[in-house]
Amino acid sequence: AQSVTQLDSHVSVSEGTPVLLRCNYSSSYSPSLFWYVQHPNKGLQLLLKYTSAATLVKGINGFEAEFKKSETSFHLTKPSAHMSDAAEYFCVVIPPSGTYKYIFGTGTRLKVLA
Amino acid sequence: EAQVTQNPRYLITVTGKKLTVTCSQNMNHEYMSWYRQDPGLGLRQIYYSMNVEVTDKGDVPEGYKVSRKEKRNFPLILESPSPNQTSLYFCASSSDMGNRYTFGSGTRLTVV
Repeated sequence: AQSVTQLDSHVSVSEGTPVLLRCNYSSSYSPSLFWYVQHPNKGLQLLLKYTSAATLVKGINGFEAEFKKSETSFHLTKPSAHMSDAAEYFCVVIPPSGTYKYIFGTGTRLKVLA
Repeated sequence: EAQVTQNPRYLITVTGKKLTVTCSQNMNHEYMSWYRQDPGLGLRQIYYSMNVEVTDKGDVPEGYKVSRKEKRNFPLILESPSPNQTSLYFCASSSDMGNRYTFGSGTRLTVV
């Protein structure tokens, strides 16, 4: 069965410092992996997507994520946090079995301190 | 502009009073889905549709109905809402399996 675990429900960083949001997945096959961001009172916006091409995926707003099969991880990083990055972030896995059923992590709320 | 439109954005209703949340997309997407978002639980799929007249249950379908009579519309129906259906609901659409979803802005439902 497919599953995804976001290891931290809340992360706080100071503005200008690096961001690390952790995601581990469980999959019998090579999955597709996504990161979505949800700003307060907004819908979900795609940050980046991994689909078995390059293991380092660059997304919007300076975010990137690295797929590590040996660690079954897909952590999201950004070198320097901005106040506008404060939001909730969701790691999502899609099994490759011909279904478009998304499996969402429980989310990580990122707080950026001035 | 390509978008998924949900209405209403906010709704307060009473237990047992039937309601419908509408969802419409203008991208000619085949796949549409409804999710509910609850604190600490992430998003859970309620129902999805792979095309007109093709719908199936997600992880938490109890108490909900859907229909897909036209490609662009995918309404969510609560025949007899209960307080445990108080939640934030998202409609989403996608052009292909494994492809990105486009999400609506959400409907915050409160059942008292």
